[in-house]
Amino acid sequence: EAQVTQNPRYLITVTGKKLTVTCSQNMNHEYMSWYRQDPGLGLRQIYYSMNVEVTDKGDVPEGYKVSRKEKRNFPLILESPSPNQTSLYFCASSLNQQGVNTEAFFGQGTRLTVV
Amino acid sequence: AQSVAQPEDQVNVAEGNPLTVKCTYSVSGNPYLFWYVQYPNRGLQFLLKYITGDNLVKGSYGFEAEFNKSQTSFHLKKPSALVSDSALYFCAVRDIHGAGSYQLTFGKGTKLSVIP
Repeated sequence: EAQVTQNPRYLITVTGKKLTVTCSQNMNHEYMSWYRQDPGLGLRQIYYSMNVEVTDKGDVPEGYKVSRKEKRNFPLILESPSPNQTSLYFCASSLNQQGVNTEAFFGQGTRLTVV
Repeated sequence: AQSVAQPEDQVNVAEGNPLTVKCTYSVSGNPYLFWYVQYPNRGLQFLLKYITGDNLVKGSYGFEAEFNKSQTSFHLKKPSALVSDSALYFCAVRDIHGAGSYQLTFGKGTKLSVIP
């Protein structure tokens, strides 16, 4: 089954404790991205990757890092989480950067709480 | 810069009645437009898209949307609402003539409640 898998689904952590949210897709998609969803703000892009070893900042990259060592994986790293990063996070993938008319596939989401 | 506006935070409609969820966009070039739906505790699911051609596009679960270039709108519609349509709906736009990131920009979402 074609899917984007995020782990964990729920995470409560303390300020400053490094964490990683994993994202994996099995559709051989080139383009992957991370979003955060906050009430009243919709989805905002954090980082995106057009292919292996190619990543770039989205609209709200501060406090986040990503890596793309393999095509299928695109982990989101919070080196020193802060309470304002409490949010619902989604990973998404789509066919390729040239396939601008293709839809994005989303993971189930990771609800992160930083206390 | 591209942007999307969903002017209604919430839309209430009676079961069986037609529904409309509004979306307007702003891009520098030609838009690629999408609608996604989010059910509670789930990720976003693709509903339909407009790329080119017919202004009326049909999608999943009986939904359709009408692209209106002069009004820069892409409203989502359904002739007869079901209680199971209750969810959060997002409009999104991609401008291929933008900065080259092919970024998908989302609206803030509209909560649809279908009342039995």
